Amino acid sequence: NAGVTQTPKFQVLKTGQSMTLQCAQDMNHNSMYWYRQDPGMGLRLIYYSASEGTTDKGEVPNGYNVSRLNKREFSLRLESAAPSQTSVYFCASLGQVNSPLHFGNGTRLTVT
Amino acid sequence: GDSVTQMEGPVTLSEEAFLTINCTYTATGYPSLFWYVQYPGEGLQLLLKATKADDKGSNKGFEATYRKETTSFHLEKGSVQVSDSAVYFCALRGAGSYQLTFGKGTKLSVIP
Repeated sequence: NAGVTQTPKFQVLKTGQSMTLQCAQDMNHNSMYWYRQDPGMGLRLIYYSASEGTTDKGEVPNGYNVSRLNKREFSLRLESAAPSQTSVYFCASLGQVNSPLHFGNGTRLTVT
Repeated sequence: GDSVTQMEGPVTLSEEAFLTINCTYTATGYPSLFWYVQYPGEGLQLLLKATKADDKGSNKGFEATYRKETTSFHLEKGSVQVSDSAVYFCALRGAGSYQLTFGKGTKLSVIP
């Protein structure tokens, strides 16, 4: 059982380039999330999808877009990367509301 | 809005020492409370949880009690091991909410 799978694991972009971070879960979970983790800031929610077909902004959505492609997949897109988006990005999924989040192993993104 | 405050790190302890990591929260109603652990290079994993006042979550020798009167959920372990070295995050989810709010994390290093 793979759980939550994120690709790629590492990425280096130049300012202004675009890219899509991929996330897939095989637990038949309804809800999926994108967080970013920065030193001293903990985890901050970028976007989430409570169920297939819906997406909502979190705490720090500016500069990002998301797509809930189907129940399994939730992608995060950076249209024009900026150095401030250098971070570690985590995808997570949730089955029922009172159950815990399941996290992927993260994507380390550097924007130069 | 909801918020979580946990003690600043890093924390360095000798093996077999007693561990406390403080966590307090602000939320309306009756949130669910969680402790997550992140080992180097990995995503977060659930350590323990409590869903109502006076509940005690426990796992792998760690414990935390949901104290509504002091809005706290402090993490404790009686005797830490080198393998407990990790970053620990306190988190809450508001009643009926799909969003999880995290503290900034506390890095624990246990030395032999």
